[in-house]
Amino acid sequence: QVQLQESGPGLVKPSETLFLTCTVSGSSVSSSYYWGWIRQSPGKGLEWIGSMFHSGNTYYNPSLKSRVTISLDTSKNQLSLKLRSMTAADTAVYYCARRITVPVGVGWFDPWGQGILVTVSS
Amino acid sequence: EIVMTQSPATLSVSPGDRATLSCGASQSIFTNLAWYQQKPGQAPRLLISGASTRATGVPARFSGSGSGTEFTLTISSLQSEDFAVYYCQQYNDWPLTFGGGTKVEIK
Repeated sequence: QVQLQESGPGLVKPSETLFLTCTVSGSSVSSSYYWGWIRQSPGKGLEWIGSMFHSGNTYYNPSLKSRVTISLDTSKNQLSLKLRSMTAADTAVYYCARRITVPVGVGWFDPWGQGILVTVSS
Repeated sequence: EIVMTQSPATLSVSPGDRATLSCGASQSIFTNLAWYQQKPGQAPRLLISGASTRATGVPARFSGSGSGTEFTLTISSLQSEDFAVYYCQQYNDWPLTFGGGTKVEIK
């Protein structure tokens, strides 16, 4: 059974950088899946942030691309998210998820981590 | 970016009744559509991929249909555990995008 667990700070100050980690069990981040981050805020609903393959192939949402970095640590079986220049608009629940790859199209997310609430406030 | 639109925003249904949820795409996504269920305080859970293929363990009362730009999720006979928010997601192209959700509530 594949499980994902997010960890990181629940509170970040405006202009600071958010660092989140997702620990994966039951599957390897080096396997044939993309691993990614999605966030959910009351104002914008579910928003895909980005996805990464162990080869280094990475896709980011253009709306966040200038501020985000996703990386994989195969030795720890973890993925991480770095989001710079945080503002109140970045307040959301952040989820990590495995993306199922398909021959046609991009793919869906299954499973998801339980999510971590990140609040941006001074 | 492909915009996904769900309707209605809220659906009031009695237990045992049928619920029909709609999802529209701003351009054709063929059948590259997934549906998720989200309960309060939980992460979204995959229900359907490929517009109509149920995920492992999903009850047969959930069915998906549609192609191109119009899609439907039907819950044939609502059970108490089905009251939740449902989201569609297109995976035809980057960036991956979600609909705004339909909340299914008890009538």
